[in-house]
Amino acid sequence: SAVISQKPSRDICQRGTSLTIQCQVDSQVTMMFWYRQQPGQSLTLIATANQGSEATYESGFVIDKFPISRPNLTFSTLTVSNMSPEDSSIYLCSVEARTGTRSNYGYTFGSGTRLTVV
Amino acid sequence: KQEVTQIPAALSVPEGENLVLNCSFTDSAIYNLQWFRQDPGKGLTSLLLIQSSQREQTSGRLNASLDKSSGRSTLYIAASQPGDSATYLCAVLNSGYSTLTFGKGTMLLVSP
Repeated sequence: SAVISQKPSRDICQRGTSLTIQCQVDSQVTMMFWYRQQPGQSLTLIATANQGSEATYESGFVIDKFPISRPNLTFSTLTVSNMSPEDSSIYLCSVEARTGTRSNYGYTFGSGTRLTVV
Repeated sequence: KQEVTQIPAALSVPEGENLVLNCSFTDSAIYNLQWFRQDPGKGLTSLLLIQSSQREQTSGRLNASLDKSSGRSTLYIAASQPGDSATYLCAVLNSGYSTLTFGKGTMLLVSP
């Protein structure tokens, strides 16, 4: 399965600033996914990023707040803009492992970025 | 809308005990179900994937079962060890679109 390198692993940021999170995959993948995990909660999908097209955002998430880039098939970035303490979460990227039929599609995750906004 | 529930939310056991984690989902139209492990503040590590046509999968001391018609899965951990302490998440891949729905997880603590 694909190996994802995600950085930074953690950061403490001032409110009103922005942070860009990077994910590098060791193989070419069609879709990359970005998730947020708020304290004590499960994962919520922010957006799906396809190479060469605009990211598709889930309800409650907007491009101005979470701009995403997908310049090639192995790399993506998520920016958390104009941060507030409510943005303190773990952010994770993920890729789909397409092996055989759809029922065998698994997902691999990066190691996560633990963001604290003060 | 798919909903995934995990019971219990937290579990504390002494080392060596066998234990069962439960996961239920409301919509049986799934491609597969995946169990993950998450260490504090870290990313997710995939443990087992069960395809919708399968009943169970095994990896070492882990065994996961799936009853799609009743919307249930269990993760069985044999002879638990302190290193098993983590949060265990289940996620279903919903038919028709490439997104996962996650449960809130079970936080497991295995004491020596």
